[in-house]
Amino acid sequence: GAVVSQHPSRVICKSGTSVKIECRSLDFQATTMFWYRQFPKQSLMLMATSNEGSKATYEQGVEKDKFLINHASLTLSTLTVTSAHPEDSSFYICSASISGANVLTFGAGSRLTVL
Amino acid sequence: KNEVEQSPQNLTAQEGEFITINCSYSVGISALHWLQQHPGGGIVSLFMLSSGKKKHGRLIATINIQEKHSSLHITASHPRDSAVYICAVMEGFGNEKLTFGTGTRLTIIP
Repeated sequence: GAVVSQHPSRVICKSGTSVKIECRSLDFQATTMFWYRQFPKQSLMLMATSNEGSKATYEQGVEKDKFLINHASLTLSTLTVTSAHPEDSSFYICSASISGANVLTFGAGSRLTVL
Repeated sequence: KNEVEQSPQNLTAQEGEFITINCSYSVGISALHWLQQHPGGGIVSLFMLSSGKKKHGRLIATINIQEKHSSLHITASHPRDSAVYICAVMEGFGNEKLTFGTGTRLTIIP
């Protein structure tokens, strides 16, 4: 089945540093990947849609200069949280789908804690 | 008002009980997903529905497009079913963006 690998699963960093999270589709090509954020006891919120070879599409209220998304290949999308602050502490999760195949797969998620 | 609403928000039941979780949405959709999120955060896609009913093991999902309503049923519930169940809708054909419900936290007591 379609598998999405996401890492790191947990990261703790100091305020002001940047953190990169990777999302890889292991056995399929994902032209589109999605990045979500989930705060404690809240539902997932879509941050951006990552398209291979083009700029990501960000949801309203998500700062594209703070959350840099790169989708350089059909199997890898990265989310970089730049100049992280404690309020960026959250659970970040990616998903990918095989277009037209009715398959939706999520990464295991990355829990970011900014001190 | 959220576009996707789930009920109940929390559900505690004894092992073996039949479980029903409901999802109502207010927009036109091309498909609806039922997702399972375990305490560690990982999410598994259980079903994708655009009409009718699907069954996988002890899980059954139904959708009524006219009434904009879907249900997830668990038969012979087990403690390992304890998780957050999330309903998510895909609004447009060719548009794979999901809008999520707030989730139902299910706890099955042995």
